[in-house]
Amino acid sequence: NAGVMQNPRHLVRRRGQEARLRCSPVKGHSHVYWYRQLPEEGLKFMVYLQKENIIDESGMPKERFSAEFPKEGPSILRIQQVVRGDSAAYFCASSPRSGSGNTIYFGEGSWLTVV
Amino acid sequence: AQKITQTQPGMFVQEKEAVTLDCTYDTSDQSYGLFWYKQPSSGEMIFLIYQGSYDEQNATEGRYSLNFQKARKSANLVISASQLGDSAMYFCAMRDLRGGANSKLTFGKGITLSVRP
Repeated sequence: NAGVMQNPRHLVRRRGQEARLRCSPVKGHSHVYWYRQLPEEGLKFMVYLQKENIIDESGMPKERFSAEFPKEGPSILRIQQVVRGDSAAYFCASSPRSGSGNTIYFGEGSWLTVV
Repeated sequence: AQKITQTQPGMFVQEKEAVTLDCTYDTSDQSYGLFWYKQPSSGEMIFLIYQGSYDEQNATEGRYSLNFQKARKSANLVISASQLGDSAMYFCAMRDLRGGANSKLTFGKGITLSVRP
């Protein structure tokens, strides 16, 4: 996976709590993508960020979800007031630039379970 | 908008035989990339192979080859000499290579492959 680090790997939250998922891209990569995978489904795009900017958030639910990629530190996907339907695997990917062909690398994913 | 279609039901193949996993795509872009990923039961996404829309040769990576037919908009994955460890979910994906806001990967729903001993 060429160094994309996601944590936590597994997270359990009660309904109504907040979930924070972190993604450290490959060193030198300034583009980060978040995807969600519901059980038995493919990956759905959520948000695309470049350092300090949100480029495309067309896949983000309108409420409770937010993402950031600060100048320093990892990208954070934040889910407020989690509900059972938020239970899914969340994958982060990074690339050095946006039109960079096949140089896009995935992390190992964060599995969120809402109980 | 881009769309990836993977319609095969669960696939079964005998160990050591070859198998083809189908993928068709739809895009109005001229410059795009096609990807295949493997997702084993452990959950991680493993990159297998990549084909650029302007590449004249079909991509190959070890036992994986991509049968790219641009006019038909298909990008089938061929796995030769199947191994038990190939049992997994396989996803086809594409991205626009122009960059910018269009550069996200679009995934198909995936195909489950089971390799029989």
